[in-house]
Amino acid sequence: EAQVTQNPRYLITVTGKKLTVTCSQNMNHEYMSWYRQDPGLGLRQIYYSMNVEVTDKGDVPEGYKVSRKEKRNFPLILESPSPNQTSLYFCASSSEAKNIQYFGAGTRLSVL
Amino acid sequence: ILNVEQSPQSLHVQEGDSTNFTCSFPSSNFYALHWYRWETAKSPEALFVMTLNGDEKKKGRISATLNTKEGYSYLYIKGSQPEDSATYLCALSGNTPLVFGKGTRLSVIA
Repeated sequence: EAQVTQNPRYLITVTGKKLTVTCSQNMNHEYMSWYRQDPGLGLRQIYYSMNVEVTDKGDVPEGYKVSRKEKRNFPLILESPSPNQTSLYFCASSSEAKNIQYFGAGTRLSVL
Repeated sequence: ILNVEQSPQSLHVQEGDSTNFTCSFPSSNFYALHWYRWETAKSPEALFVMTLNGDEKKKGRISATLNTKEGYSYLYIKGSQPEDSATYLCALSGNTPLVFGKGTRLSVIA
């Protein structure tokens, strides 16, 4: 089954404790991206990747890092989480940036 | 940063009513316009991707039109049902990756 898998689905952490949210897709997609969703603000792009070893900042990249060492995986790294990063995060993949995006189930993160 | 506007922000309709909402976007550097359906506690799912001016797409009771010259797309739902209740997102692909609107939240009352 074609899917985008995010882990964990829920995470509560404390300020400053490094964390990684994983994202994996099995559709051989080249394009992957991370979004955060906050009330009243819609989906905002954090980072995206057009292919392996090619990543770029989206609209709200501050406080986040990503890597794309292999095609299927695109982890989101928060080196020193802060409370303003409490949000709902979605990973998405697509064959191209302009094509249909397939979303993961979401990760709800709370930073205390 | 591209600005994608959706209206209305929220909408309540009675079961059986037909409804429509709007996505507005800058018409320059247009590649594609996406519509997604996002149910509470789930992830967004694609409805349509449209690329050509005048495109019309249909999926069951839901259809969409695209006007790239004036920069808008309409999403129509015919005979709304309670299961249509969701947030409907549009997203623009220009010379940057996808930019999403804030969505229209539709509630269909039985």
